[in-house]
Amino acid sequence: NAGVTQTPKFQVLKTGQSMTLQCAQDMNHNSMYWYRQDPGMGLRLIYYSASEGTTDKGEVPNGYNVSRLNKREFSLRLESAAPSQTSVYFCASSVWLAGPFSDNEQFFGPGTRLTVL
Amino acid sequence: KNEVEQSPQNLTAQEGEFITINCSYSVGISALHWLQQHPGGGIVSLFMLSSGKKKHGRLIATINIQEKHSSLHITASHPRDSAVYICAVIPYSGGGADGLTFGKGTHLIIQP
Repeated sequence: NAGVTQTPKFQVLKTGQSMTLQCAQDMNHNSMYWYRQDPGMGLRLIYYSASEGTTDKGEVPNGYNVSRLNKREFSLRLESAAPSQTSVYFCASSVWLAGPFSDNEQFFGPGTRLTVL
Repeated sequence: KNEVEQSPQNLTAQEGEFITINCSYSVGISALHWLQQHPGGGIVSLFMLSSGKKKHGRLIATINIQEKHSSLHITASHPRDSAVYICAVIPYSGGGADGLTFGKGTHLIIQP
């Protein structure tokens, strides 16, 4: 099992360009997440998908869109990249959505380091 | 708003020392996670606990629900333990993943 995979590993964009970050998991997990990690700040949730066919906003959704293509894949799109979106992006998955009555472990991808000039 | 505070922010120790990293949070939770992020950037889950204590090799995690506090201990520390350790909580009142709250991490360096 590859676990959670992300592409690309590194990307440099110019302001205004668009791109899609890809994420896939082979663990038959229902829930998937996109986080960003910035220096001096904790991981922050951008969007999540509780199950195939559903997506919801997290803490910092502005400037991003997501697609849960199927159970395996969850992509993150930047329509018009801005320097404030320079960050490391992590995708994660869990069996079910973590919530008040569950304690599902999350499995993380290796991350995508994005720089917007 | 749930806050997750970790201490210390940075810790440098000598190989073999006993290490303690602390995590405090402000609301009731259903579970707490300890994550490890290596210098290469990858994040792995170390522990998930909602009460008591868990042990895995040289790592021990404890949680005191009443005091809203958790500790991660490393016994006989080794340079390969050098990493950022992140505490994350699932608030009990949270209805979805937007309730997941992460600490800023503790940067641990173990010197030979």
